[in-house]
Order: sequence, then C-alpha cells, then structure tokens
Amino acid sequence: EAAVTQSPRSKVAVTGGKVTLSCHQTNNHDYMYWYRQDTGHGLRLIHYSYVADSTEKGDIPDGYKASRPSQENFSLILELASLSQTAVYFCASRTGSEQYFGPGTRLTVL
Amino acid sequence: GDSVTQTEGPVTLSEGTSLTVNCSYETKQYPTLFWYVQYPGEGPQLLFKVPKANEKGSNRGFEATYNKEATSFHLQKASVQESDSAVYYCALSGLPGTGSNRLTFGKGTKFSLIP
Repeated sequence: EAAVTQSPRSKVAVTGGKVTLSCHQTNNHDYMYWYRQDTGHGLRLIHYSYVADSTEKGDIPDGYKASRPSQENFSLILELASLSQTAVYFCASRTGSEQYFGPGTRLTVL
Repeated sequence: GDSVTQTEGPVTLSEGTSLTVNCSYETKQYPTLFWYVQYPGEGPQLLFKVPKANEKGSNRGFEATYNKEATSFHLQKASVQESDSAVYYCALSGLPGTGSNRLTFGKGTKFSLIP
C-alpha cells in the first residue's frame, strides 16, 4: 500500500508570514505533486517534481515555491502567505498512471 | 489543454436508489480515465481506472464505461448506501511514456444520503 504522509495536518498562519508544508513518501516513486483543494474548484496542480533537486510548475504556481531535496521529500513553500491561500493542500506520489494522495494539510491564513 | 466536466453537486439520494455522476472530457491525447473517491477528512483515493476505450471499470459496486465516441465516462451505482457518501472526482491522464506527467481533475461531485 502506497504511503504518503503530510505535516502539519493543520496550520494557522498570519498574512505575510512564511509557511512550509512537508510531504514524505516511502514508496520510491519518482513523481510527486502538490495540489490545492477549494470548494468549487476541485483539485488544482501547483507544482510537481520527477527527480530530486528539480521541480516543475503546475497550473497555479504563483505565490508558491517547491523543493525536492530527496526522492522521499517534497515541500511546498509560501514565502508571503495571503488570505487567498487558505485551502486544503494535498501531496501525491505517482507510479505508472496512478497517483497516491496524502491525508492533506488544512491551512488557514488570517 | 485537457479538461474534465462532471455533474455539479451536491447530489442527495435515498438509500437503495441508483446514482449516476456524469463525466465528459476533452483531450487531444489517448487518455486513461479515472474515478477517485474522497471520504471526509481523507485524501482522494483511486476507485478504478480504465486505460482503453470501450472497456468498463468497476470497484465497490461502482462502474463506468470509457466511451471514446461520446468522450464520456459516467459513474454509476445501482443501490447506494451510507458508506458511499463522499466526493467523487473524474480525471484523465495521458498514457505513461507519452510525456504526460499529470492528472486533470474535474471539480468533484459531493454525494450524500438523504437523512
């Protein structure tokens, strides 16, 4: 069974502050992804990575950075958090055509 | 680019009735089609996938047929129960090895039983 974990599971941040969301997978998958989930928008791709030390922009990358220091770890960084970034964030890893999702991080920016 | 359109929710039904969630897609690729399910407080998980046109996928009493001519992949279940209450996502991906790296998701359809 694929295992993707995320931390923290919930976070409250202040506007203008820096936020780092972490993702860890134990499946030796090459591809990892960050999505945000909002009511009415479903899942939207922010960044993804297919190898350590390399990241690619997804469909909504503005205001987000990503870091892939190792095959197992993939972080999403909000340098200057804004109210509009309040959402649930999901990390996923991929093997073949199937993606396996983590449990999500609920981020509230005040 | 690719797009997926599905039934706008929420959908509420009585226990034992049938559920249909419509899904239509647009792509220039030869996609694999997916249904994902998301239970409250969890991440989405794969319900099933169908890589070939005119084939059917199924799992947990749900099924969908890959209709290439109609570009549709409608999800159906004959008799719903409480445990089916969830958000359902239709998605597509290009074939592995074709350069496709991502899934394109619909906006999701929330389903729950009438209390």
